[in-house]
Amino acid sequence: TQLLEQSPQFLSIQEGENLTVYCNSSSVFSSLQWYRQEPGEGPVLLVTVVTGGEVKKLKRLTFQFGDARKDSSLHITAAQPGDTGLYLCAGALSSSNTGKLIFGQGTTLQVKP
Amino acid sequence: ETGVTQSPTHLIKTRGQQVTLRCSSQSGHNTVSWYQQALGQGPQFIFQYYREEENGRGNFPPRFSGLQFPNYSSELNVNALELDDSALYLCASSWTGAPNYGYTFGSGTRLTVV
Repeated sequence: TQLLEQSPQFLSIQEGENLTVYCNSSSVFSSLQWYRQEPGEGPVLLVTVVTGGEVKKLKRLTFQFGDARKDSSLHITAAQPGDTGLYLCAGALSSSNTGKLIFGQGTTLQVKP
Repeated sequence: ETGVTQSPTHLIKTRGQQVTLRCSSQSGHNTVSWYQQALGQGPQFIFQYYREEENGRGNFPPRFSGLQFPNYSSELNVNALELDDSALYLCASSWTGAPNYGYTFGSGTRLTVV
């Protein structure tokens, strides 16, 4: 059973289009992180959201944490080929010092020029 | 500052053998976590080491074990390798084990068990 469900799993779009990736759960998370991973590399942290309803922007990327801290979304405006990669959401069930992150299965994004 | 480095980058082992993977944490980080990422999946938490002690463990059997050294580097050991152990093994470091601060991941070790 996947605790964090990401959708869609695959997305292929043209340069300049907008897209949204969703991360949903029935569990409440103390924080949620988004990572981007390229082939042959480890995940790279994009953002951490902690407060329910929180919205963070990173250039053309907008991240939102749901009010109930059970879901999150990543919106990319005017996608570029350099945005291509695997996007992973990861939640922490506890803010205590145990370190376990629960990852979604990932969304593979391909942006065609 | 140096990032997280893992060695080796690739490894091929035979079923039943034992393997040791190594990780050097980012400068200033005292916590190391290990994750297993199967092809097409998100990473799965194996365990975390903080101040040289195991500090949280995922749903992995005891044949997965680890160590953390005084310089905060870490090893992941897997005994009696099985075909399903084939995966990308990722090491992540942080300056505290608390996940809210985010982790820095290494590029991983690709393990193939034949």
